[in-house]
Amino acid sequence: DTGVSQDPRHKITKRGQNVTFRCDPISEHNRLYWYRQTLGQGPEFLTYFQNEAQLEKSRLLSDRFSAERPKGSFSTLEIQRTEQGDSAMYLCASSTTKFWGEGSGANVLTFGAGSRLTVL
Amino acid sequence: ILNVEQSPQSLHVQEGDSTNFTCSFPSSNFYALHWYRWETAKSPEALFVMTLNGDEKKKGRISATLNTKEGYSYLYIKGSQPEDSATYLCAFSEGSDYKLSFGAGTTVTVRA
Repeated sequence: DTGVSQDPRHKITKRGQNVTFRCDPISEHNRLYWYRQTLGQGPEFLTYFQNEAQLEKSRLLSDRFSAERPKGSFSTLEIQRTEQGDSAMYLCASSTTKFWGEGSGANVLTFGAGSRLTVL
Repeated sequence: ILNVEQSPQSLHVQEGDSTNFTCSFPSSNFYALHWYRWETAKSPEALFVMTLNGDEKKKGRISATLNTKEGYSYLYIKGSQPEDSATYLCAFSEGSDYKLSFGAGTTVTVRA
């Protein structure tokens, strides 16, 4: 397994266009997350899947944003009618509900390298 | 939105020197505190997850401590090397293990 893959790594688009990002998580990970990071800020939670079910969406995720995880494998994040304020790094992460390391039970995220969106 | 603060925002360290920096988080309903290292053009990488007050974790020259009662964690780098240059993010989870609130990070630059 090569880790979490995200595609594309960079996307430049004009305002009003639709964009879609794809995330391929670690195959045995049942949880998948999307975070967004803007300049000078830490990553902000957008949404979370356990298997194919989307269990939580942040209020940051307006109705122009939609995320899917068909069959509980890869995930897509689509932004419709992009705005300049959508320019950010979109990070995908995955995790397993199995214990990690010393059995702490805490949920460790494995991140992809991110998809950087620039809206002109 | 949970207020997770990291200090300082950035720091420069001479190679061989040791350094430390802070993450503060809400002390109520604590579940876990994570540290990640994010090198430029790479993925954020997990360093530590701590769940118990008084936890201390170590990975090579990097170590972290946790005080859940007062709501802070320290990350220490001993004998800094150029490869330690990165942004160090802390993240707090409240009440559950799936949603993390991240600080803005401390960017460490190690000068040779």
